[in-house]
Amino acid sequence: GQQLNQSPQSMFIQEGEDVSMNCTSSSIFNTWLWYKQDPGEGPVLLIALYKAGELTSNGRLTAQFGITRKDSFLNISASIPSDVGIYFCAGQLGDMRFGAGTRLTVKP
Amino acid sequence: SAVISQKPSRDICQRGTSLTIQCQVDSQVTMMFWYRQQPGQSLTLIATANQGSEATYESGFVIDKFPISRPNLTFSTLTVSNMSPEDSSIYLCSADPGQEVYGYTFGSGTRLTVV
Repeated sequence: GQQLNQSPQSMFIQEGEDVSMNCTSSSIFNTWLWYKQDPGEGPVLLIALYKAGELTSNGRLTAQFGITRKDSFLNISASIPSDVGIYFCAGQLGDMRFGAGTRLTVKP
Repeated sequence: SAVISQKPSRDICQRGTSLTIQCQVDSQVTMMFWYRQQPGQSLTLIATANQGSEATYESGFVIDKFPISRPNLTFSTLTVSNMSPEDSSIYLCSADPGQEVYGYTFGSGTRLTVV
């Protein structure tokens, strides 16, 4: 089946620092998505990318859909404590598959 | 976007029993999905719940263990049958709103502990 490789697995950063995480796949996806999950909650959609090469921003978040359609990255600028959580990439081709997640810790 | 109410939010169950998880969507959606998320892990798709037909299960998941109902376009249930401690996990339902905005909406999850 489709495998998504997400890295890094975890990050410990200082408040104000920028963050970068990425996902790669051996398969092509039509849509790449980035979700955030807080403890005890379901994932919440942050950004959706529909076209190869597309670069999209949502506030301090920027994500890109790789030109090969097999990868995507998410950047968070000027991190704040509420950015803490687990970030998942997801690729959609019909149904949706998730990466293993990046656990982000932000130290004040 | 669609809002999903999922219940129960958590339960502790005896092995050998069954638990039914319910998801209610505040609008009609074509596709609903059930995922399992083991502690500290990613989400694994269990099945796609189809309205008016049998659910479509992913490899490693079977109907006898995880029967699913989808009686209408706003509601679905997942039953975890004959539970064992290995079934302890978070179970999440999600819906594809099928609109211009892609991506699924998720319920808040059911944290199941089997003892």
